[in-house]
Amino acid sequence: GAVVSQHPSRVICKSGTSVKIECRSLDFQATTMFWYRQFPKQSLMLMATSNEGSKATYEQGVEKDKFLINHASLTLSTLTVTSAHPEDSSFYICSARDPGRTEAFFGQGTRLTVV
Amino acid sequence: ELKVEQNPLFLSMQEGKNYTIYCNYSTTSDRLYWYRQDPGKSLESLFVLLSNGAVKQEGRLMASLDTKARLSTLHITAAVHDLSATYFCAVEPGTASKLTFGTGTRLQVTL
Repeated sequence: GAVVSQHPSRVICKSGTSVKIECRSLDFQATTMFWYRQFPKQSLMLMATSNEGSKATYEQGVEKDKFLINHASLTLSTLTVTSAHPEDSSFYICSARDPGRTEAFFGQGTRLTVV
Repeated sequence: ELKVEQNPLFLSMQEGKNYTIYCNYSTTSDRLYWYRQDPGKSLESLFVLLSNGAVKQEGRLMASLDTKARLSTLHITAAVHDLSATYFCAVEPGTASKLTFGTGTRLQVTL
């Protein structure tokens, strides 16, 4: 089946540094990918829609200068958390849809801890 | 704004019992998804419901969709401990592909 790979699965960084998370579609091309954020014991909240070759579309309340999204190819989207702070600590999950299938597939998730 | 609500938020049930999780949503949608999430893990797709009246079953889980009532149910039959997890429904309005998730139901099946 379609697979979405996310890397790294876990990262710890210091306050003020930037962290890049990668999301790859392994056996299909994805013109659109999605980034979600999940706080402990809460649901997933859509942060932004990543569009190949164009700017990402951010949901209301999400700082685009803080969460930089780049979708440079049909199989790769990256999310960079810039100048990270402890409140950015969360579980980040990407998803992509295989155009030939109905459902979206999710990456393994990245647990970000900012200390 | 699309709202997706699940109830209950937490469910503790004994092995062998039956129960239903409800997912209500606020705007028209013909696509609804159910996912399972284990602690510290990402989402596992359970069901894709694409039309009014759709019913799907896999093992001890059965999902249904009533688009007129804007309601989906996830029914658990004869629960076993391995079903302990958090279950999310998600709604896809139109064909935008982006999902709005429900609040989640944490299921704990006790021996």
